[in-house]
Amino acid sequence: EDKVVQSPLSLVVHEGDTVTLNCSYEVTNFRSLLWYKQEKKAPTFLFMLTSSGIEKKSGRLSSILDKKELFSILNITATQTGDSAVYLCAVISGNKLVFGAGTILRVKS
Amino acid sequence: GAVVSQHPSRVICKSGTSVKIECRSLDFQATTMFWYRQFPKQSLMLMATSNEGSKATYEQGVEKDKFLINHASLTLSTLTVTSAHPEDSSFYICSARVRVSYNEQFFGPGTRLTVL
Repeated sequence: EDKVVQSPLSLVVHEGDTVTLNCSYEVTNFRSLLWYKQEKKAPTFLFMLTSSGIEKKSGRLSSILDKKELFSILNITATQTGDSAVYLCAVISGNKLVFGAGTILRVKS
Repeated sequence: GAVVSQHPSRVICKSGTSVKIECRSLDFQATTMFWYRQFPKQSLMLMATSNEGSKATYEQGVEKDKFLINHASLTLSTLTVTSAHPEDSSFYICSARVRVSYNEQFFGPGTRLTVL
């Protein structure tokens, strides 16, 4: 059975801190790994990673994939209160998108 | 990016009633739409995959007679929760895909269903 595991489950930091969110996976037919940010409603797309070792960046967010270790991390530097959200990792396995349980991030001012 | 809408955004109903949720792609044609369910503090779980003009493919453990999906056009898919019970209370999210590449999958804003 396809499985995506995220850690930590929740995290509380102060503004300005850097955080690293983890995602590991075991799937039968890996195609890509995606990161989403969810704030009360539907997830919004952050990154899609297909190749190992290539860092994707968007402002203060960055992510990288290790296909050998079946692992990805999402980094957020200089966190702001607006970064507070649930961060979801999802893996495309075959024709399906399999989600992890998410990491709840709370950034305190 | 493309816009997907859902209606209603929130619904409260009595146990035993049926509830229909609509998912529309507003500015593109979606060959495939997906329906997810999310319980509080849990992740999205895929319920079914819906292709226009054909029967939906349900995930294991999802009752197709309880969760009726109709994808009548390239811009509209509906999910009907039949004879809803309190345990069906959840956040239902649809997404629409234009092409095979998943970064072309766009999520609707979700529908919060509460069954009393």
